[in-house]
Amino acid sequence: AQKVTQAQTEISVVEKEDVTLDCVYETRDTTYYLFWYKQPPSGELVFLIRRNSFDEQNEISGRYSWNFQKSTSSFNFTITASQVVDSAVYFCALRTNTGNQFYFGTGTSLTVIP
Amino acid sequence: DAGVIQSPRHEVTEMGQEVTLRCKPISGHDYLFWYRQTMMRGLELLIYFNNNVPIDDSGMPEDRFSAKMPNASFSTLKIQPSEPRDSAVYFCASTGDLVSGANVLTFGAGSRLTVL
Repeated sequence: AQKVTQAQTEISVVEKEDVTLDCVYETRDTTYYLFWYKQPPSGELVFLIRRNSFDEQNEISGRYSWNFQKSTSSFNFTITASQVVDSAVYFCALRTNTGNQFYFGTGTSLTVIP
Repeated sequence: DAGVIQSPRHEVTEMGQEVTLRCKPISGHDYLFWYRQTMMRGLELLIYFNNNVPIDDSGMPEDRFSAKMPNASFSTLKIQPSEPRDSAVYFCASTGDLVSGANVLTFGAGSRLTVL
């Protein structure tokens, strides 16, 4: 069975602090894809990143970075020097090659306090 | 590209009324998904289509819900009769080739449904 767990329901940080959002996934498939989406207060779901299971390189995009570790089945997301505009709900998702479903976590609500 | 287009953005209706939500996927995308988002249950997959054919509708809550995709550029999600517990945000999403791995779900802006 496929599953995504985002144990942090809500996080609050003060502006300019770093914050890490945790994502743990479960799958028995050897080929799979991991995603992060952002849902700002306006409500739309915005794609942030996709990572393939055979590529464990970490990725940095501006203030955003992602740490993919197969050994711990984790795909964590770090925001450096957080800003108020980062306030949103962030979803981690998983898709495997044995099905077409995208499995979403329950989301982490991040509030950045000015 | 205009992205995934959903309408209406907001719908307020009374219990018992029929509700129809509409979606236009990104041109060339072969897969279309309908999700429902509530505070209690998060994002739930209702149904998805491949090449206009429903593949998995196991997430459709009950017979009051139905979805169609008459052509590659249009899908509807219908609730008849609607109930207050159907109040949620309904998202449509599309993606292209799932085999190659270039699969990224692109979501519409959502349709916020309130059933009084």
